[in-house]
Amino acid sequence: DVKVTQSSRYLVKRTGEKVFLECVQDMDHENMFWYRQDPGLGLRLIYFSYDVKMKEKGDIPEGYSVSREKKERFSLILESASTNQTSMYLCASSDRDSNQPQHFGDGTRLSIL
Amino acid sequence: GQNIDQPTEMTATEGAIVQINCTYQTSGFNGLFWYQQHAGEAPTFLSYNVLDGLEEKGRFSSFLSRSKGYSYLLLKELQMKDSASYLCAVINAGRRALTFGSGTRLQVQP
Repeated sequence: DVKVTQSSRYLVKRTGEKVFLECVQDMDHENMFWYRQDPGLGLRLIYFSYDVKMKEKGDIPEGYSVSREKKERFSLILESASTNQTSMYLCASSDRDSNQPQHFGDGTRLSIL
Repeated sequence: GQNIDQPTEMTATEGAIVQINCTYQTSGFNGLFWYQQHAGEAPTFLSYNVLDGLEEKGRFSSFLSRSKGYSYLLLKELQMKDSASYLCAVINAGRRALTFGSGTRLQVQP
């Protein structure tokens, strides 16, 4: 069965810290995505990657970076966490073709104090 | 840019039929997805439409009209477990990522 695993379900960090969110998929998918989900705003795309070492900015990339050193792993980095980055973060993966559905992880609820 | 609109909340009765609408404005449309998301859980894939018409999958059906920029998700024989948020998402040609609407929270009542 399809599996996307996010490293933490809940995370609490302090303002100014560097934060790493990890995501691993076991489906050999080319595409991987990071979203944040906020009430009333839906899912908004932060970054995505369509191949190892490749990345593209989504709609709200400011304050974030990503890393994809291996096909199965896609990391989201908050360079210097701020309180407005408190959110639910969702990772997803999909096969190469755009008509293939994305499969989501269970999410990481991140609080920045 | 893209704009996707869905109603924020809907309420329906167990056993009934409900239709959740989604309108979109986008350039280079290349397909529309519907996802279901229960509170505190990951979104799960329901349907994909790229051609005009109705796609039926058990109790759930999804309709698309490309010329009108309109889709709906139809849920029949509603069950309490159908209480969830339903997310409409559009994909553009040349961009592999989805753009999501804000989602419709459906409450099924006994």
